[in-house]
Amino acid sequence: EAGVTQFPSHSVIEKGQTVTLRCDPISGHDNLYWYRRVMGKEIKFLLHFVKESKQDESGMPNNRFLAERTGGTYSTLKVQPAELEDSGVYFCASSPAGLVGGEQFFGPGTRLTVL
Amino acid sequence: SQQGEEDPQALSIQEGENATMNCSYKTSINNLQWYRQNSGRGLVHLILIRSNEREKHSGRLRVTLDTSKKSSSLLITASRAADTASYFCATAAEGSYIPTFGRGTSLIVHP
Repeated sequence: EAGVTQFPSHSVIEKGQTVTLRCDPISGHDNLYWYRRVMGKEIKFLLHFVKESKQDESGMPNNRFLAERTGGTYSTLKVQPAELEDSGVYFCASSPAGLVGGEQFFGPGTRLTVL
Repeated sequence: SQQGEEDPQALSIQEGENATMNCSYKTSINNLQWYRQNSGRGLVHLILIRSNEREKHSGRLRVTLDTSKKSSSLLITASRAADTASYFCATAAEGSYIPTFGRGTSLIVHP
């Protein structure tokens, strides 16, 4: 069974540009989460989908960030326009229906560098 | 915030030795989890301990939870070079289901 995959693995963009990160959760997992880790700091929760619905987006930093999960399968996280402080590693995780608050399965992350 | 804080930030040991990492948190929790992250990879779930449990084992891993002190420890016995990784604790506060991670402990096991 394939794990959680993320694309791209690395992205280097200039301030003001737009970047879209993609996450493919484990097939059949209803719960999908986005996290971000800024260098040397804690891993911070961004938002949680249950299928295609946003269950909790309390961690989204501002309105430059837009997450979608059309059809309840893969998810995208768009940053527009990107700022320097958006640099970091963006992780996606998924878990089966009913297993909220328990084990999450993480992808390898997308390292975003904003110059 | 509910953020867990791992201690120490970095730990360097020889293969065969035991490694102990600690996690402290601030408010009541539903559960506490430990994850491992190898360089360049995603986090891998190691173990989950519920608030009504005091100790759990999984292979060479032993996790304890002291809710009165709001702390947990992760013990890796007979460490191996392959245990080199960052270790994170994640706490889910009472009434919440979203785990809050700390900054992690970077463990290096020298062969």
